[in-house]
Amino acid sequence: ETGVTQTPRHLVMGMTNKKSLKCEQHLGHNAMYWYKQSAKKPLELMFVYSLEERVENNSVPSRFSPECPNSSHLFLHLHTLQPEDSALYLCASSQELGTFNTEAFFGQGTRLTVV
Amino acid sequence: AQTVTQSQPEMSVQEAETVTLSCTYDTSESDYYLFWYKQPPSRQMILVIRQEAYKQQNATENRFSVNFQKAAKSFSLKISDSQLGDAAMYFCAYRSPLSQKLVFGQGTRLTINP
Repeated sequence: ETGVTQTPRHLVMGMTNKKSLKCEQHLGHNAMYWYKQSAKKPLELMFVYSLEERVENNSVPSRFSPECPNSSHLFLHLHTLQPEDSALYLCASSQELGTFNTEAFFGQGTRLTVV
Repeated sequence: AQTVTQSQPEMSVQEAETVTLSCTYDTSESDYYLFWYKQPPSRQMILVIRQEAYKQQNATENRFSVNFQKAAKSFSLKISDSQLGDAAMYFCAYRSPLSQKLVFGQGTRLTINP
């Protein structure tokens, strides 16, 4: 049983669809992250939320819109995606303690296919 | 910006043998954290071992140990007594103490031969 749960596990969507990815952490952490994992590329950090406030946005296109309503939940809203956005989207959480963070704990990811 | 390089896209080892996965990184910082994560077919990234750069002693977790060479900016992972359940993608990652961002290498796919 993972401390970080992502739904759905798989998603196929058309380029004109709107969908959302959901992440929930049960670890009492105060920071949450979205990473993108594409084939043959290193994991890329997309967004960081610390204490429910977005603190990092790594030049991600506006067709990806994150939302963090509370410290346990993180969403990634998707609209008008492109086929190159097909990837594994991983959510992670950690506990921020000043300049020291615990290691990041990851969910099992959502495999997104854009057709 | 920091970078992490894993030069071995694939490795294989016989069950019960020892294997070493390589990782090098580039940074101008003197203090930082290094991690090895394992990603099995279930896709969940699992922390294997972590190392704080200010510690000279190499981290060890049961069958997993690292060889941390700070001057050479090298951080290799040694897996002893390899087991079938060790088969996975292994990622080396770097984190600055001033950031929550993890910088990952490209990964090494490890196969265990029975």
